[in-house]
Amino acid sequence: QLVLSQPPSASGTPGQRVTISCSGSSSNIRSNNVYWYQQFPGTAPKLLIYRNNQRPSGVPDRFSGSKSGTSASLTISGLRSEDEADYYCAVWDDSLTVVMFGGGTKLTVL
Amino acid sequence: QLQLQESGPGLVKPSETLSLTCTVSGGSVSSNDYYWAWIRQPPGKGLEWIGSIFYNGNSGNTYHNPSLKSRVTMSVDSSKNQFSLRLSSMIAADTAVYYCAAEWGSGSSPRFDYWGQGTLVTVSS
Repeated sequence: QLVLSQPPSASGTPGQRVTISCSGSSSNIRSNNVYWYQQFPGTAPKLLIYRNNQRPSGVPDRFSGSKSGTSASLTISGLRSEDEADYYCAVWDDSLTVVMFGGGTKLTVL
Repeated sequence: QLQLQESGPGLVKPSETLSLTCTVSGGSVSSNDYYWAWIRQPPGKGLEWIGSIFYNGNSGNTYHNPSLKSRVTMSVDSSKNQFSLRLSSMIAADTAVYYCAAEWGSGSSPRFDYWGQGTLVTVSS
């Protein structure tokens, strides 16, 4: 049973806005910063969002993150075909003393 | 701009110990800014954090995934600008792509800024 829950899949058409959720608990998301990663098949993950809503240099502003209570979200605006990838949330869990990754969400651009 | 590269065997027999090394370029493993992490991904599955290690030449610290802690040993070799992972008592479920990564900050804040390309380790007799 995963501590961080993500929908296994999400989809949208080009130009649409898509939101991927990450549900946790008071010992992880409520207490700590959330991070998001993008992974294309056969490649290493790439940091997309850090500290809930900060974008590293080079990440388009179409990608945004938010957090409220025990849940976090990644929103992709103006969806593009090249956004088709797997997306993972990550957070430290104070109770388990472990870095937790969500199960990942496979985004399909229709 | 850090670059990381994993090296090690692609095939390990059950019950044996896996040894992987990550070579860092573009920066020092003795940096005050980074922890050095290992993360794995079984084929077709999600990411699992193994642990993180910090060493600045004077002091060090490590964090391990409790589910693997008794099997995990991590170390830093500043003379070679490398860090390493040893995972004992390998079983088939340990088959995965193993990534090394540079973790900004505290070791308990999963900001993995830089990643190696990953190396597939298969456990089989």
